[in-house]
Amino acid sequence: GAVVSQHPSRVICKSGTSVKIECRSLDFQATTMFWYRQFPKQSLMLMATSNEGSKATYEQGVEKDKFLINHASLTLSTLTVTSAHPEDSSFYICSARGGGTNYGYTFGSGTRLTVV
Amino acid sequence: QKEVEQNSGPLSVPEGAIASLNCTYSDRGSQSFFWYRQYSGKSPELIMSIYSNGDKEDGRFTAQLNKASQYVSLLIRDSQPSDSATYLCAVRGNYQLIWGAGTKLIIKP
Repeated sequence: GAVVSQHPSRVICKSGTSVKIECRSLDFQATTMFWYRQFPKQSLMLMATSNEGSKATYEQGVEKDKFLINHASLTLSTLTVTSAHPEDSSFYICSARGGGTNYGYTFGSGTRLTVV
Repeated sequence: QKEVEQNSGPLSVPEGAIASLNCTYSDRGSQSFFWYRQYSGKSPELIMSIYSNGDKEDGRFTAQLNKASQYVSLLIRDSQPSDSATYLCAVRGNYQLIWGAGTKLIIKP
């Protein structure tokens, strides 16, 4: 089945630094990538949607200059959290569309970001 | 604003019993519905998808869809402790999934 590899699974960074999260579709072409954030005991919150080769579309309230999304190829999308602060600590999950049996919504394994 | 509503729970069910999880949605034009399971600290995994009115069975899981009532449910038969997780209902919007807040299910041995 369709697989999305997400790295790193956990990252701890200092306040003010930047962190890059990668999502790769291993056996299909991800035409669309969704980036979610999830705080403890809360549901998924869509941050942005990116289509290969286009600028990402950000949800209301999500700072595009802080959360940089690159979807330069059909198999790779990255989310960079710039100038991270403790309030950015969260669980970040990517979801790719373009393969699989569930209309192509294949999730990565998630990245636990802790900003200290 | 398209919405998906779920009871947050927790829903406590004895091992071996049937767990019933419910979800309502606001967009009458919705066509695609999904149930995901999420263990603590993990990303969601697809349990069932359903597109037509009625029941759809897959092993111990049965999804039920009633478009007239804008209601979708998930039944888990012979509940096991490993079924303890948060179950997320999702409805396909224009290009993305609209998520419910999830129901926490606890299966008691």
